[in-house]
Amino acid sequence: GENVEQHPSTLSVQEGDSAVIKCTYSDSASNYFPWYKQELGKGPQLIIDIRSNVGEKKDQRIAVTLNKTAKHFSLHITETQPEDSAVYFCAASSVGGSQGNLIFGKGTKLSVKP
Amino acid sequence: DSGVTQTPKHLITATGQRVTLRCSPRSGDLSVYWYQQSLDQGLQFLIQYYNGEERAKGNILERFSAQQFPDLHSELNLSSLELGDSALYFCASSARLAGGGETQYFGPGTRLLVL
Repeated sequence: GENVEQHPSTLSVQEGDSAVIKCTYSDSASNYFPWYKQELGKGPQLIIDIRSNVGEKKDQRIAVTLNKTAKHFSLHITETQPEDSAVYFCAASSVGGSQGNLIFGKGTKLSVKP
Repeated sequence: DSGVTQTPKHLITATGQRVTLRCSPRSGDLSVYWYQQSLDQGLQFLIQYYNGEERAKGNILERFSAQQFPDLHSELNLSSLELGDSALYFCASSARLAGGGETQYFGPGTRLLVL
């Protein structure tokens, strides 16, 4: 089945700097890769996603890149702000697996220092 | 607001007790997923229901059970509770995407504290 590795587990940046979170997946059949942001005490919120037929997608300060050959995808946040502080989860679609339709990474706790 | 609702928001109970967590999916979504998130941990997949039937099962304990009703709301039943069951429990519903595949939308969660 699919396995998703996420790094780093914690990330601290200064306000205004960029932050990059990386994930790798194991199943070459995976074709959909969403990213979720979880603020303290809240449920994960979908912030951006990408399909396997696209190499990059951007939404304001957030971008996601996908390298199908290497089976890894990354979340890039530019001009970070304190409100970007949260736990970020990557996920990969699971085809016919036993873990539901998405397999999640273990999360990255991002801290943006003012 | 994702459109997924969960009740109650908080639950405090004692060891050995039984509780029921409730989830209503987004309008039109047929799938419901349950996850457990312990302190500073990731999302542990428990179980998935699709249109009333169990579709996938993760690391769900035998003391836990779930069901999805004809109106598509779902309930997660936790029995013989132990201290280690204290966690956030999330429900998510999935929506089909244009071009195929599905994504998930999460509810606000139920925080369970077992004393």
